[in-house]
Amino acid sequence: GAGVSQSPRYKVAKRGQDVALRCDPISGHVSLFWYQQALGQGPEFLTYFQNEAQLDKSGLPSDRFFAERPEGSVSTLKIQRTQQEDSAVYLCASSFRRESTDTQYFGPGTRLTVL
Amino acid sequence: LAKTTQPISMDSYEGQEVNITCSHNNIATNDYITWYQQFPSQGPRFIIQGYKTKVTNEVASLFIPADRKSSTLSLPRVSLSDTAVYYCLVGVRSSGTYKYIFGTGTRLKVLA
Repeated sequence: GAGVSQSPRYKVAKRGQDVALRCDPISGHVSLFWYQQALGQGPEFLTYFQNEAQLDKSGLPSDRFFAERPEGSVSTLKIQRTQQEDSAVYLCASSFRRESTDTQYFGPGTRLTVL
Repeated sequence: LAKTTQPISMDSYEGQEVNITCSHNNIATNDYITWYQQFPSQGPRFIIQGYKTKVTNEVASLFIPADRKSSTLSLPRVSLSDTAVYYCLVGVRSSGTYKYIFGTGTRLKVLA
């Protein structure tokens, strides 16, 4: 595809449920990023992959959050036992090269609402 | 960890030049400064990126002073469709790790 795609666009979960959010980066992009954006706030970094290697997961807010990119393309962000404070938009971005300075291109996000 | 701050909001009229400043006091030495535009229910959209001095493209200019502790996004002649939230993004090195930090965001409202 032409850009980064994410699915689903909207997800409603009951507290305690597990959810999985998918990101399809731009074809050929080496690096992939996940961000969390609370309502009215700027995006906050969660984790970063180069190909299949997760190089930084320091932004993940708890051990209920898990991300993977097993074949170096599609990535999944999984949240276990969702809590109300997990309600946010989850943004995925990809960049062409390995360098940290390379431009990140964002998908439309997945809006997660935990009831 | 360093804070990356921006004015909360700005109003402007169509046709005016708008300048939005981002303060990033702990930017990593080799990192670029990137600006994004975000509309409701959409992901951030790339506007411009620079390392130092001045960069210009077809939609904006980016001014970065020598100390690189701030940057200014300049939108030359805004239109109603430029009403959006604008974010800067910088890389910051802290405790041996590299962090991507978005600014606090500036909500620009363009008036007719």
